[in-house]
Amino acid sequence: AQKVTQAQTEISVVEKEDVTLDCVYETRDTTYYLFWYKQPPSGELVFLIRRNSFDEQNEISGRYSWNFQKSTSSFNFTITASQVVDSAVYFCALSVRSGNTGKLIFGQGTTLQVKP
Amino acid sequence: NAGVTQTPKFQVLKTGQSMTLQCAQDMNHEYMSWYRQDPGMGLRLIHYSVGAGITDQGEVPNGYNVSRSTTEDFPLRLLSAAPSQTSVYFCASSRDRSNQPQHFGDGTRLSIL
Repeated sequence: AQKVTQAQTEISVVEKEDVTLDCVYETRDTTYYLFWYKQPPSGELVFLIRRNSFDEQNEISGRYSWNFQKSTSSFNFTITASQVVDSAVYFCALSVRSGNTGKLIFGQGTTLQVKP
Repeated sequence: NAGVTQTPKFQVLKTGQSMTLQCAQDMNHEYMSWYRQDPGMGLRLIHYSVGAGITDQGEVPNGYNVSRSTTEDFPLRLLSAAPSQTSVYFCASSRDRSNQPQHFGDGTRLSIL
């Protein structure tokens, strides 16, 4: 069975602090994909990144960076110099190739509050 | 550039009523899906479709029906609404089911009294 765990329910930081959102996944599949989505207070879901299981290179996009480590089954997300606009719920999700359903398995989400 | 459009945005129903949540996409995506979002549980897959005329059940399909008569539209039907179906519903689409990023609609907030 597949599972995604986001142990941090809520995180509160002050603007300009760095913050890391943890994501741990479980799967026996060797081919899988990991995603991060952002859900701002307005409610829509915004795609941030997709990573496949064969690519462990870290990714950086502006203030966002992602650390994928297969050895610990983790796909953590770091925001550098956080801003108030980063306040949102962040979801980590997993999709496996077997079964070919395209299903996304979501974690419970981490609510990030960035205070001015 | 509409993307995935869901209607309505909000709806209140009484127990036992039926209704259809609409979802349309203009990206010619083959894969479409419905999720529900409940507090503390993330999003869970209700039904999905890999193309017109083809649908299948997801993780929590009970009480819901879907059909896919066109590539663009993927409506979700609540047959007899129950309070347990109070949730936020998201429709999503992607080019295909090969784990491409899914584009989500803005959601429908549904309350069942």
